[in-house]
Amino acid sequence: DARVTQTPRHKVTEMGQEVTMRCQPILGHNTVFWYRQTMMQGLELLAYFRNRAPLDDSGMPKDRFSAEMPDATLATLKIQPSEPRDSAVYFCASGTESSYNEQFFGPGTRLTVL
Amino acid sequence: AQTVTQSQPEMSVQEAETVTLSCTYDTSESDYYLFWYKQPPSRQMILVIRQEAYKQQNATENRFSVNFQKAAKSFSLKISDSQLGDAAMYFCAFPSGGYNKLIFGAGTRLAVHP
Repeated sequence: DARVTQTPRHKVTEMGQEVTMRCQPILGHNTVFWYRQTMMQGLELLAYFRNRAPLDDSGMPKDRFSAEMPDATLATLKIQPSEPRDSAVYFCASGTESSYNEQFFGPGTRLTVL
Repeated sequence: AQTVTQSQPEMSVQEAETVTLSCTYDTSESDYYLFWYKQPPSRQMILVIRQEAYKQQNATENRFSVNFQKAAKSFSLKISDSQLGDAAMYFCAFPSGGYNKLIFGAGTRLAVHP
């Protein structure tokens, strides 16, 4: 049963600390997305990769957020330094370039910054 | 700009009854897909149903069906024989700007009463 995995599932940290979230896309998928979900803003696209290359990170605060794909099986999202307003659920999703556009979501990482 | 609007923040339905969730979108494209995702309390985003814009026939998946009106840019989700497990947030989503990017509506929270 292929699925997107994310670690950690929960993270509580102090303001100013570095946070790294990891995602393993479904094997064979070549597109990866990072979303942030908050009550106020809903689901926002932070970054998008195709074949490991970043294509769109316009939704990401550049001064503190960074997203990478070191290899085809791992995507990372880092926040440094973290702030209380970064508290949210972060989702990773993967897909292919088929015409279906369907994205398969991971279970999310709930981040709390104190 | 391409947008997705869900005008019903909350809906409720009695078990075994039928409920319809509305979604409107705006696009200049002629060929695209539309999606409904379900997010139960577990936070997992689950694809409920997909509609291909060039198909006249409305998509159906068991108790879930859509009423797709392309000219009106309307894409509503009908849930028949509602079950307690249908209680969740429902998001309408639309691909934007190519590269499989999805824009999500604000969501509709569905409560199912026994």
